Amino acid sequence: AQSVTQLGSHVSVSEGALVLLRCNYSSSVPPYLFWYVQYPNQGLQLLLKYTTGATLVKGINGFEAEFKKSETSFHLTKPSAHMSDAAEYFCAVSDQGGSEKLVFGKGTKLTVNP
Amino acid sequence: DSGVTQTPKHLITATGQRVTLRCSPRSGDLSVYWYQQSLDQGLQFLIQYYNGEERAKGNILERFSAQQFPDLHSELNLSSLELGDSALYFCASSVEVSQETQYFGPGTRLLVL
Repeated sequence: AQSVTQLGSHVSVSEGALVLLRCNYSSSVPPYLFWYVQYPNQGLQLLLKYTTGATLVKGINGFEAEFKKSETSFHLTKPSAHMSDAAEYFCAVSDQGGSEKLVFGKGTKLTVNP
Repeated sequence: DSGVTQTPKHLITATGQRVTLRCSPRSGDLSVYWYQQSLDQGLQFLIQYYNGEERAKGNILERFSAQQFPDLHSELNLSSLELGDSALYFCASSVEVSQETQYFGPGTRLLVL
């Protein structure tokens, strides 16, 4: 069974600082990996996804993530945090070529301090 | 705006009641997914439909059911509601059954009193 672990339910950074949100996954088959963002009282918006190919994936709003198979990780980074990045971030995994359902982590709430 | 619409936005009801949540997928999307987001369980997959047929089932209670209609909109029916069913229910859609990006609607917030 697949699972996702997001380390740190809350992360706080200063505006302009590096954002690093951690995600580790467990999957018996090559995974598809996703990061979604949820702003208060809104639905989930896709930030980026990894399916195959290049392991460094660039997404919207300056975010990127690197798939590291040896570490079973898919950490999300952004070089310089902006106040508008304050939101909850969810990492998700699905089977490559299998079930299309997404298995989500518990989420990490990002706070950006001025 | 993802293009996925959900109605109603908010729903308050009593224990034992039945409610129906509605989802309209993005234009052209054939696959619809339902997810439940609660404080204790997080985001959980409930069920998926593709072009009117049930495709995959997750942690969906027997009191819950869903269907997808010929016009591709979907409804999630929740019956014999319990306090623990209070949650945010999301619908998502994607083009086909292959692993395409899932686009999420704004959700329906259900409160069972």
